Amino acid sequence: DQQVKQNSPSLSVQEGRISILNCDYTNSMFDYFLWYKKYPAEGPTFLISISSIKDKNEDGRFTVFLNKSAKHLSLHIVPSQPGDSAVYFCAAISGNDMRFGAGTRLTVKP
Amino acid sequence: NAGVTQTPKFQVLKTGQSMTLQCAQDMNHNSMYWYRQDPGMGLRLIYYSASEGTTDKGEVPNGYNVSRLNKREFSLRLESAAPSQTSVYFCASSASGTSGYEQYFGPGTRLTVT
Repeated sequence: DQQVKQNSPSLSVQEGRISILNCDYTNSMFDYFLWYKKYPAEGPTFLISISSIKDKNEDGRFTVFLNKSAKHLSLHIVPSQPGDSAVYFCAAISGNDMRFGAGTRLTVKP
Repeated sequence: NAGVTQTPKFQVLKTGQSMTLQCAQDMNHNSMYWYRQDPGMGLRLIYYSASEGTTDKGEVPNGYNVSRLNKREFSLRLESAAPSQTSVYFCASSASGTSGYEQYFGPGTRLTVT
């Protein structure tokens, strides 16, 4: 069973506009959430995280929002840049159990 | 400071063959992990080692064994490879456990079992 879902396999946005990547989860025990970014032929790299006691965390152009009642989180990238083109994975943690979504491929067009 | 390194980068095995994937980290991290990534599935945890001397099963441990050789090294062994184990394998490490600590990933090993 996929406890973490990213329902959009791909997203295309224009440079300078906002990118919004979504993630849904089913397990209410998850208490920490992360976003990773992955370029081809490389391992994922950590981007931003949020604890379940918060509803927003911001780091430069990246903001993660958490809606616990809806079991939904989103990653906003503003403004989007061509170098942001990559696959983005959300991940959710409960204790030592860490589950990843299937990823969303973001393409930022110049 | 190389971070997390994995060898080999690519490997082709025949069904039934065995091999060991090597992973090493130089960040003095306590915890290490092995994941597999399949199309449409994201990353799934195979085994992890919370600290030197301990290992635990993850989500998909069947067909694999692991060894935490020392604090730096964590190997993954396929005793009898099957086509279903064709995947990209990632090793990762973190300072201490998963909660609140980001994981650092190696570049991956692309394994094909024919």
